[in-house]
Amino acid sequence: DAGVIQSPRHEVTEMGQEVTLRCKPISGHNSLFWYRQTMMRGLELLIYFNNNVPIDDSGMPEDRFSAKMPNASFSTLKIQPSEPRDSAVYFCASSLMGGPGGAEAFFGQGTRLTVV
Amino acid sequence: GQQVMQIPQYQHVQEGEDFTTYCNSSTTLSNIQWYKQRPGGHPVFLIQLVKSGEVKKQKRLTFQFGEAKKNSSLHITATQTTDVGTYFCAGPGNTDKLIFGTGTRLQVFP
Repeated sequence: DAGVIQSPRHEVTEMGQEVTLRCKPISGHNSLFWYRQTMMRGLELLIYFNNNVPIDDSGMPEDRFSAKMPNASFSTLKIQPSEPRDSAVYFCASSLMGGPGGAEAFFGQGTRLTVV
Repeated sequence: GQQVMQIPQYQHVQEGEDFTTYCNSSTTLSNIQWYKQRPGGHPVFLIQLVKSGEVKKQKRLTFQFGEAKKNSSLHITATQTTDVGTYFCAGPGNTDKLIFGTGTRLQVFP
């Protein structure tokens, strides 16, 4: 398996524009997490899906952020409109909850977002 | 809400010295995980501890889960430059979401 795949790896956009980040989890994993990492706030959990259903979105900053998981192999995180304070590295991670390997999370390479 | 704190925030050591990072949760955890993130990289799973008082070793790394299952530690013996990175603990919150600690950034000087 190629691991968790995120795209794009880097995104530079202007304030006010819509940004869509994409994630392909590891095949067979039933849980997917979106995290945001900044120097100031560390690694924050934004939203957690289990079996494609959003279980906990309490970490989503505000209405400008939305996430979807239309099927088991794809998820998106959208920011509309984007603001400079959204600049961060966004990670997607997947895991197999309840599986024999435990619940270790496998992270993608991340998307470095810069909003100017 | 549930919080997972780590100390210290930063640690600079000379190569060959030991290093320890401590993790404290505001709630009891069913298990604790440890991850390492190299500079510019992504978090990579190291180990999971489940039992109260459990101790596991991976070469020079020793992981411990507290008796009350609210704290944990990672100890590295005789650090090497390859140990550079940020070490995170992580635990399951309510709804099974995975909450990461604040992390400890380790710098090793040759």
